Amino acid sequence: TQLLEQSPQFLSIQEGENLTVYCNSSSVFSSLQWYRQEPGEGPVLLVTVVTGGEVKKLKRLTFQFGDARKDSSLHITAAQPGDTGLYLCAGAGGSARQLTFGSGTQLTVLP
Amino acid sequence: NAGVTQTPKFQVLKTGQSMTLQCAQDMNHEYMSWYRQDPGMGLRLIHYSVGAGITDQGEVPNGYNVSRSTTEDFPLRLLSAAPSQTSVYFCASRSDKNTEAFFGQGTRLTVV
Repeated sequence: TQLLEQSPQFLSIQEGENLTVYCNSSSVFSSLQWYRQEPGEGPVLLVTVVTGGEVKKLKRLTFQFGDARKDSSLHITAAQPGDTGLYLCAGAGGSARQLTFGSGTQLTVLP
Repeated sequence: NAGVTQTPKFQVLKTGQSMTLQCAQDMNHEYMSWYRQDPGMGLRLIHYSVGAGITDQGEVPNGYNVSRSTTEDFPLRLLSAAPSQTSVYFCASRSDKNTEAFFGQGTRLTVV
């Protein structure tokens, strides 16, 4: 079984602060996906990283895939209340035919 | 654009009752999955399918059955509901094992 550990589990910060969420595994994945989920809705894809060492930027969000394709990070610069939500990482491919999800990081950005 | 449609959105069951959660997708995706989401535990895979007629167990399959008779539909059956099955259930589909998953809006199930 491939496991993904996310940290921190909860994060509450003030508007304008920076933050980083981590997603770690002992398994190698073909790609790593990041999703954001709002209350009462299903998760929605933010980004997919595929190449070891890859960095992708989505406005104030920066995603990085580890060189060994076992870990990833999400960095948010100058967080805004609209960034509030549950952030989930998910590993794809490798030996598994299904997506493996991390336990999630509940982010709250206070105005 | 319907995407992934789940019904019902809310359900309350008594212990021992059975029911089926419906999931349908209109994107011609081969891969479909059922997850349950509990506080602090992310999404845990119940069952999944890689095509019509093919299903397999995920991380937490006990108490649930699935079938995949068509590409579009992937129902989840609770055989005899237990309070431990109180959760939010999500159905997802994707075109292959490396691509984006599209989720339904979820079914909030309470077993009393």
